[in-house]
Amino acid sequence: DSGVTQTPKHLITATGQRVTLRCSPRSGDLSVYWYQQSLDQGLQFLIQYYNGEERAKGNILERFSAQQFPDLHSELNLSSLELGDSALYFCASSGSGSTGAQYFGPGTRLTVL
Amino acid sequence: GESVGLHLPTLSVQEGDNSIINCAYSNSASDYFIWYKQESGKGPQFIIDIRSNMDKRQGQRVTVLLNKTVKHLSLQIAATQPGDSAVYFCAGGEGSQGNLIFGKGTKLSVKP
Repeated sequence: DSGVTQTPKHLITATGQRVTLRCSPRSGDLSVYWYQQSLDQGLQFLIQYYNGEERAKGNILERFSAQQFPDLHSELNLSSLELGDSALYFCASSGSGSTGAQYFGPGTRLTVL
Repeated sequence: GESVGLHLPTLSVQEGDNSIINCAYSNSASDYFIWYKQESGKGPQFIIDIRSNMDKRQGQRVTVLLNKTVKHLSLQIAATQPGDSAVYFCAGGEGSQGNLIFGKGTKLSVKP
């Protein structure tokens, strides 16, 4: 158990809909990262927040947005969903270790029908 | 461009043998590298990391070797067990809070 929690575990929805994925980082970690994992793309970095502020952006679509709240939990919002958005979405957190080692949650499996 | 990739997509070893999983990287600016293990249906699990100023680091049954000259790192698993069967990813990062760039992954299968 990494200490990172994600809800829900599974999500099934229809095209055009909007969903919110939630993540709670490890206790004390200020950084939260979101990744998308699909069969043909591997693990792709989406966005990073540090102590409530956006720190880095990766391959995140304009239809997707995220935020980190004062209690450090984070939400990833996916809107106008398309079939191709079906994937595993992982949240990771990191603290003040000697490297930027990130610890991943169990993921949310999103299926868009 | 920046990339971290793996030499082999699959690796099959006999239980008890040692496993070696390889990874090449292109970003010379990476400050550290991390190996993750991902079992089916689960999130990536941190195994071991190494800073770019080191060439070897050992953990429990695992050793990571880093060769900056040829931009290559490897993960050695001693006495491989069935529970080691998973997909292994290497990842590189810059700075203490930067995002990671992941390779495609190598699937390790352990034969009893």
